[in-house]
Amino acid sequence: QVTLKESGPGILQPSQTLSLTCSFSGFSLSTYGMCVGWIRQSSGKGLEWLANIWWNDDKYYNPSLKNRLTISKDTSNNQAFLKITNMDTADTATYYCARRRTTRFDYWGQGVMVTVSS
Amino acid sequence: DIQMTQSPASLSASLEEIVTITCQASQDIGNWLAWYQQKPGKSPQLLIYDATSLADGVPSRFSGSRSGTQYSLKISRLQVEDIGSYYCQQAHSNPLTFGSGTKLEIK
Repeated sequence: QVTLKESGPGILQPSQTLSLTCSFSGFSLSTYGMCVGWIRQSSGKGLEWLANIWWNDDKYYNPSLKNRLTISKDTSNNQAFLKITNMDTADTATYYCARRRTTRFDYWGQGVMVTVSS
Repeated sequence: DIQMTQSPASLSASLEEIVTITCQASQDIGNWLAWYQQKPGKSPQLLIYDATSLADGVPSRFSGSRSGTQYSLKISRLQVEDIGSYYCQQAHSNPLTFGSGTKLEIK
């Protein structure tokens, strides 16, 4: 059974760095073809893809967030991570991690709400 | 970036009615398209992948089709549990992009 769960600080101040953890089970990020992605959703809005990390450590980022994103993984502990620097109120959203298989995200975490406020 | 133009933005339909949601890709994405359902307060769930393949456990009343760069999600007989928002997503090119969503309500 594949499960994913996000964790994060909940609230942070503008200009701070957001650190998110995705803890997963039921698959390994060392297995050929596996990938974990991060997607966010602002309140009442649509979905925005942020980054992917593949089994071979290939990483892809949404250029709309320029150089603010860093994705990484800990294969031994079945975790993936996302850091976003210089957080702004516009980054307030629910952040999801999801397992990606070729064309789709087939399993999603429950999401973690992140609020940026001074 | 590949733009996914989704319509309608909202939809109200009666139980047992046929519902169709469409996504128009700004360029050729082949079959690199997925559809998701998001119920209120929940995370998105995969419905359709590779444009026409039904995800595991998804009722057969859901189906996906493609005509060129236009993709459609059809619900053949709308049920109460189908209320929520629906999103398309292309995986042909980075950055991955989603449609703006369709909010489906029961009339």
